[in-house]
Amino acid sequence: DAKTTQPNSMESNEEEPVHLPCNHSTISGTDYIHWYRQLPSQGPEYVIHGLTSNVNNRMASLAIAEDRKSSTLILHRATLRDAAVYYCILRAVYTGANSKLTFGKGITLSVRP
Amino acid sequence: KAGVTQTPRYLIKTRGQQVTLSCSPISGHRSVSWYQQTPGQGLQFLFEYFSETQRNKGNFPGRFSGRQFSNSRSEMNVSTLELGDSALYLCASSLDLSYGYTFGSGTRLTVV
Repeated sequence: DAKTTQPNSMESNEEEPVHLPCNHSTISGTDYIHWYRQLPSQGPEYVIHGLTSNVNNRMASLAIAEDRKSSTLILHRATLRDAAVYYCILRAVYTGANSKLTFGKGITLSVRP
Repeated sequence: KAGVTQTPRYLIKTRGQQVTLSCSPISGHRSVSWYQQTPGQGLQFLFEYFSETQRNKGNFPGRFSGRQFSNSRSEMNVSTLELGDSALYLCASSLDLSYGYTFGSGTRLTVV
């Protein structure tokens, strides 16, 4: 499975932007970059995903490096509700062993009021 | 629209028994995956089904099995339960490979 590397934890202040990094130096050309988050006592929640170009949705933005070996999830204004574990995952676009979501330990984001 | 529905929410079973968990995906989603979450191991992939075919399988013993029906609903079965099977079992559905997954709230299984 293609692996991702994330810091264990990050802290942010409420209403400030947050940049969550992810390294995936062994990414292949057919891997999507997915981000999920898990709030306490809940199942994971889809945040965003992309292939090559930067992506935006109502929850966040995903900035993908030109060589695709790293990406950054951007929360534009952190709220207390954004405190969660954030997972960066590579998922193949073709059917096979790498088409499953393999969760690592993720980044634990804390938001200070 | 309705989300991913998992039943039951909570379950207590005795060692040696078997259990069946159910998952109803979002309408139109043909891909269903199952995960086990424990404090020690985190989220671990069990299996993935697409149009009634198992497309992927994780590294779990043969006591763990699953299936998907023609209406995309899925079940997973664990036979000969062990104490270590106590976990939150999560189901997720997706339109297909190019889309994100929507997770259910999970079934909390306790084996005593």
